[in-house]
Amino acid sequence: GENVEQHPSTLSVQEGDSAVIKCTYSDSASNYFPWYKQELGKGPQLIIDIRSNVGEKKDQRIAVTLNKTAKHFSLHITETQPEDSAVYFCAASIVGSARQLTFGSGTQLTVLP
Amino acid sequence: DGGITQSPKYLFRKEGQNVTLSCEQNLNHDAMYWYRQDPGQGLRLIYYSQIVNDFQKGDIAEGYSVSREKKESFPLTVTSAQKNPTAFYLCASSVLGAPNTGELFFGEGSRLTVL
Repeated sequence: GENVEQHPSTLSVQEGDSAVIKCTYSDSASNYFPWYKQELGKGPQLIIDIRSNVGEKKDQRIAVTLNKTAKHFSLHITETQPEDSAVYFCAASIVGSARQLTFGSGTQLTVLP
Repeated sequence: DGGITQSPKYLFRKEGQNVTLSCEQNLNHDAMYWYRQDPGQGLRLIYYSQIVNDFQKGDIAEGYSVSREKKESFPLTVTSAQKNPTAFYLCASSVLGAPNTGELFFGEGSRLTVL
């Protein structure tokens, strides 16, 4: 089965700086990689996703990059704001397969004012 | 507003007791899921259902049971056979075919503590 490793487990940045969270996956057949954000006391919410036919995707201050050869993908948040403080989860799956999402262990991001 | 409602938000249970967590959605989604969240372990899939009256085991189904008698409801029972039930439980739903191609919608979770 798939194994997704996520680093770091905690990350603190100053407001306005950038934050990067990295994930590696084990199954080269995986081709769909979403990122979820979980605010305190709430359920996770999808913030961005990428499929393996593209190497990068951006949405305002967040971007995801994918390196299929190395089997890793990263979440980049620029110009961080206090409201970016949350737990972020990466995940991997195969489009069209019966296999469900495999999640990483999560990163607690704290943006310091 | 459409969404997923989990209840109760907090639940305490004595060892040896079964407990049922409720999950209701009004998004008209076919698929529903139960995840367990433990510190440092991410989200692990317990059970999922893609259609009424049918469900499949996830990665950590032992000690849990579910039913799917209605499209909008997917209750989870944590049985006394679950050796370490204290955790945060999340219910989610999606259109059929997701989450491999689309979005999982999560409830706000239920925190179960076994005393």
